[in-house]
Amino acid sequence: NAGVTQTPKFQVLKTGQSMTLQCAQDMNHNSMYWYRQDPGMGLRLIYYSASEGTTDKGEVPNGYNVSRLNKREFSLRLESAAPSQTSVYFCASSEGGGLKETQYFGPGTRLLVL
Amino acid sequence: GDSVTQMEGPVTLSEEAFLTINCTYTATGYPSLFWYVQYPGEGLQLLLKATKADDKGSNKGFEATYRKETTSFHLEKGSVQVSDSAVYFCALGESASKIIFGSGTRLSIRP
Repeated sequence: NAGVTQTPKFQVLKTGQSMTLQCAQDMNHNSMYWYRQDPGMGLRLIYYSASEGTTDKGEVPNGYNVSRLNKREFSLRLESAAPSQTSVYFCASSEGGGLKETQYFGPGTRLLVL
Repeated sequence: GDSVTQMEGPVTLSEEAFLTINCTYTATGYPSLFWYVQYPGEGLQLLLKATKADDKGSNKGFEATYRKETTSFHLEKGSVQVSDSAVYFCALGESASKIIFGSGTRLSIRP
């Protein structure tokens, strides 16, 4: 099992450009998440999908959109990148959405917006 | 709202030293508590968890006890190794689909 995979690993964008971060999991999990990690701030939830066909906003959704393409895949789109979106982005999944659930993380995408 | 506070790093210890990383939380309900670890260049992975008061989570020599009376979930290990060098995150499971993470503590172990 590959677990949670993310592409690309690293990306440089210019302000105003768009891009899509891809995430896939092979654990048959129902719930998937996108976080951003900034120095000294831990992880902050951008969007999550409790199940296929549903998505909900997290703590910091502005400037992002998501698509739960199927049970395996959950993509994050930046329509018009801004320097404030320079961060490391992590995708995660869990079997269910309960507060006891363990989340499994991908290796991350490092994004630099110039 | 709910929150997690953990000790600031970096923490530098010699091999075989005793480790404590403090974590306290505020919560209105009955959250689950987690410690996640992030090794260099990797994503987070679960180290241990506790789902109710007085539970003790343990894994790889690490332990943490869910203390409701002191709202704490301190991480301990009796004898650290160089391979334990990583960033450690305390986290709180607030509700379905929401985990609140602390800011992380960087741990470095000298041989």
